[in-house]
Amino acid sequence: QLQLQESGPGLVKPSETLSLTCSVSGGSISNSDYYWGLIRQPPGKGLEWIGSILYSGRAYYNPSLQSRATISVDTSKNVFSLRLSSVTAADTAMYYCASRREHLAKRPYYFDYWGQGTLVTVSS
Amino acid sequence: DIQMTQSPSTLYASVGDRVTITCRASLSISSWLAWYQQKPGKAPRLLISKASNLESGVPLRFSGSGSGTEFTLTISSLQPDDFATYYCQQYNSYFGGTFGQGTKVEIK
Repeated sequence: QLQLQESGPGLVKPSETLSLTCSVSGGSISNSDYYWGLIRQPPGKGLEWIGSILYSGRAYYNPSLQSRATISVDTSKNVFSLRLSSVTAADTAMYYCASRREHLAKRPYYFDYWGQGTLVTVSS
Repeated sequence: DIQMTQSPSTLYASVGDRVTITCRASLSISSWLAWYQQKPGKAPRLLISKASNLESGVPLRFSGSGSGTEFTLTISSLQPDDFATYYCQQYNSYFGGTFGQGTKVEIK
């Protein structure tokens, strides 16, 4: 059974870069049958898709975050990661790692495996 | 960008009720729509993909329908475990994945 575990900084200062890692167990991140993604949820608010990445490293981003977000894969560690630059208080949220098993997916934007989430607060 | 609008925002219902939630897209997304259930403090759970395909393990009382710009999630007989917030998400390839604002199902 695929499992995802987020690890994040907890607290980030405004204007700095948020770095978050998603550890994958029960499957290989380089398996072409899976794709990987990140979703966030501000406290008390709805869900926002941040981006997705394929086993090949090709990444897709929410247009509203594309200029600040970078998602990458590290096959040696079986993890994928998010870097979000120039953060503000509006980036305070629960950040979820997610995945779905779909061979050669053409629409890698919805997910059936989710981590438990990690809360990231942006504050000085 | 595609905007997703759910209605109602809050729905009050009783156990055994038939419940319907509507999701509208600002542009046609064919059938590229998913529905999730989220309970407080938990990650979302995927219920339905491609507008009407029930995911493995999801109770048969859940069903989805629609195409183009209008979609519905129906719970045929509401159970105590179903009180939660429900989100739709479009996943048309060009626009990525946009969520609706959510519909909270509460006890009447």
